[in-house]
Amino acid sequence: KAGVTQTPRYLIKTRGQQVTLSCSPISGHRSVSWYQQTPGQGLQFLFEYFSETQRNKGNFPGRFSGRQFSNSRSEMNVSTLELGDSALYLCASSLLLRDTQYFGPGTRLTVL
Amino acid sequence: ELKVEQNPLFLSMQEGKNYTIYCNYSTTSDRLYWYRQDPGKSLESLFVLLSNGAVKQEGRLMASLDTKARLSTLHITAAVHDLSATYFCAVVLNDMRFGAGTRLTVKP
Repeated sequence: KAGVTQTPRYLIKTRGQQVTLSCSPISGHRSVSWYQQTPGQGLQFLFEYFSETQRNKGNFPGRFSGRQFSNSRSEMNVSTLELGDSALYLCASSLLLRDTQYFGPGTRLTVL
Repeated sequence: ELKVEQNPLFLSMQEGKNYTIYCNYSTTSDRLYWYRQDPGKSLESLFVLLSNGAVKQEGRLMASLDTKARLSTLHITAAVHDLSATYFCAVVLNDMRFGAGTRLTVKP
């Protein structure tokens, strides 16, 4: 079974731009969560989707948004990028809400 | 608000030694996870603990959960270099909250 895939793996943007990251969950998994990982703040929860509905949202500004499609694939968008948005963005999928999450390889975003 | 604290944050140990990583959390939860992360890589699920007194073992790693004390431990037995990584505990309430991670270095 293929694991969680994320594209792109690396991204360099400049301040003020926007970015869209994509996540394809493990086949059959209906829940997708997104996390931001930085050396200073560690792993922080962004949002969780299940059956195309956002179920939970972390404490991030409205510049961070996401969605889930009917095939469970998910995208997250960050608008008006700031230097502090530089991070590893991890996507995780699970069969159902609150089940064991399986993480993708991450997208490393650098904002210059 | 759910807080998850791990200690120690850094651990350097010699091969063959034993050690324990601790994970305390502030709010009652019915599941706790341990993950491993190698440098530059993603997170790998190690254990899920679902009930008080749960104990799980895989190779040289053993995890336990005491829900009354809101404490989980990850015990390393006879460490080997391959265990060098960062270990995270994570607690589920409405969402998954991670500890800061313990960076383990096993030296020959």
